[in-house]
Amino acid sequence: QQKVQQSPESLTVSEGAMASLNCTFSDGTSNNFRWYRQHSAKGLEVLVSIFSDGEKEEGRFTAHLNRANLHVSLHIREPQPSDSAVYLCAVSMKGSNYNVLYFGSGTKLTVEP
Amino acid sequence: EAAVTQSPRSKVAVTGGKVTLSCHQTNNHDYMYWYRQDTGHGLRLIHYSYVADSTEKGDIPDGYKASRPSQENFSLILELASLSQTAVYFCASSDDGSAPLFGEGTRLSVL
Repeated sequence: QQKVQQSPESLTVSEGAMASLNCTFSDGTSNNFRWYRQHSAKGLEVLVSIFSDGEKEEGRFTAHLNRANLHVSLHIREPQPSDSAVYLCAVSMKGSNYNVLYFGSGTKLTVEP
Repeated sequence: EAAVTQSPRSKVAVTGGKVTLSCHQTNNHDYMYWYRQDTGHGLRLIHYSYVADSTEKGDIPDGYKASRPSQENFSLILELASLSQTAVYFCASSDDGSAPLFGEGTRLSVL
């Protein structure tokens, strides 16, 4: 079964400094990677989806995928206090016909003014 | 606007009681999911459905049933609620290849 692990568990950055979050997965045939943001007591908001090795940018959020290293990262440019939330990495396995996602346990990001 | 609506938003249930969590989507999506989130953990898949009147087991289906009476509605049923089922439950919907859209969650406390 797919294992998805995120690091660090928590991260504090200053407003305006780059924030980098990491995610590793166990199934090298995975082909669908998404980063979600979860504000306290709220649902999940998709930030960026990436399907091939390389980078994908969505506004201030950039995902970087390296399937050979079983690694996907999220970089947040110029983070703001409103970006303080839990960030979840989600991976779909190849052959999953129904878009089923496997989640990491999340990174809690705190952005200090 | 695309939406996934869950009800109730929170519920307190007694051990051994029956609980039904409801989910409604207006996205015209074929796929719907129920996930569970425990404190400090990611989401784990309980049941999912790709068409009305059909449901599939996810990774942790024990103690849960699901029902998909229409494309728009997907329910999660706990026939005999237990303490270990205290968690936040999320419903989601998607189409093939699209990022699943999530509801705001239902916080269930079983006492």
